[in-house]
Amino acid sequence: GAGVSQSPSNKVTEKGKDVELRCDPISGHTALYWYRQSLGQGLEFLIYFQGNSAPDKSGLPSDRFSAERTGGSVSTLTIQRTQQEDSAVYLCASSLVGGGADTQYFGPGTRLTVL
Amino acid sequence: RKEVEQDPGPFNVPEGATVAFNCTYSNSASQSFFWYRQDCRKEPKLLMSVYSSGNEDGRFTAQLNRASQYISLLIRDSKLSDSATYLCVVWYDPGTYKYIFGTGTRLKVLA
Repeated sequence: GAGVSQSPSNKVTEKGKDVELRCDPISGHTALYWYRQSLGQGLEFLIYFQGNSAPDKSGLPSDRFSAERTGGSVSTLTIQRTQQEDSAVYLCASSLVGGGADTQYFGPGTRLTVL
Repeated sequence: RKEVEQDPGPFNVPEGATVAFNCTYSNSASQSFFWYRQDCRKEPKLLMSVYSSGNEDGRFTAQLNRASQYISLLIRDSKLSDSATYLCVVWYDPGTYKYIFGTGTRLKVLA
């Protein structure tokens, strides 16, 4: 079946512009996660969705970052007024129910470059 | 101290060798443990979960030592295709939702 998909695969933007990153999770998966991975770094947790609600937003680095999920499916991560330090690969993952016993399935990521 | 720590490597080993990685975690309340594999410029994929009694999947063996707060991954008879970065992942108690990823250990299997 279809896996997690993300779009765009690559995004180059100028400092100060807003960007939207999209994630389509595996159908039926209620849990959705966003992570950020900078060059040579581990995955940094950003936000977790259970259905349409976000019980854990603790990883969002600043108020320029926001995310929503609609219909318990597609999620959008928005970065406003992008900065060069926002350059990274943004990964989305989904899992069936959420929680520690769940397998996370990752999308291919969006590589964001802020000039 | 990082919540999850791994030796970044790289570990360069010849084909057929046995190699082991360790990962330490700081929170004694950690409940679930995983090894993920990440190929260069690709997304992470689950390699195996780690159970208290230890578990094996073909050439891969994972073990958990709660007393010393570390998990290990042993790869026997290394293949060229095993070359990747291996990520240690820890999940805490319910309510935090976060999976904590280590920065990964890079393995290069040489012909």
